[in-house]
Amino acid sequence: AQKITQTQPGMFVQEKEAVTLDCTYDTSDQSYGLFWYKQPSSGEMIFLIYQGSYDEQNATEGRYSLNFQKARKSANLVISASQLGDSAMYFCAMREGMGDDMRFGAGTRLTVKP
Amino acid sequence: SAVISQKPSRDICQRGTSLTIQCQVDSQVTMMFWYRQQPGQSLTLIATANQGSEATYESGFVIDKFPISRPNLTFSTLTVSNMSPEDSSIYLCSVTDGYSYEQYFGPGTRLTVT
Repeated sequence: AQKITQTQPGMFVQEKEAVTLDCTYDTSDQSYGLFWYKQPSSGEMIFLIYQGSYDEQNATEGRYSLNFQKARKSANLVISASQLGDSAMYFCAMREGMGDDMRFGAGTRLTVKP
Repeated sequence: SAVISQKPSRDICQRGTSLTIQCQVDSQVTMMFWYRQQPGQSLTLIATANQGSEATYESGFVIDKFPISRPNLTFSTLTVSNMSPEDSSIYLCSVTDGYSYEQYFGPGTRLTVT
């Protein structure tokens, strides 16, 4: 069963505007980690932000913030002040245990318009 | 954090041949993972490689097609055997230290099978 769901195949945002990329997840574990990665056309996976299931505050890393709503099982990525270089694929991922592998959502292709 | 290198970075191969991809980590890690990303798709786990034991393959992936070696805690190889055009993908090595949720990715190997 799909554990990570990204419902937006593609998103457009105007340069300098904020954008939210959606991610919902499914797990029965109490302890897990949620991640967002950026993948430009070069193919590398660039780590953006991490949220632990026990973290009470939403994670932030520069222009990236994670809107974590545990009861709703959602972990949306918010990018503020979009830049042209933010155009890429964005993947939401989850690890359910430190000994487990990471599972990925289908991804969202973000295009920033000038 | 772990720094991961992969060789080759890209290759074009003829169908029916085999290619071995190397993954080198700059520190000892407990778990190594191999992912495949087909064009326009998300990442799919091929197998988990632990040092000193046989790799554990995910459903749909078999050892005869994707043999894996893990001779020590910093190195692993993935072989793509008897290649067909459907094997054209990016292959990514990934590692964890087993003590945190963080997971690191190599730059990927872009394989094209003609």
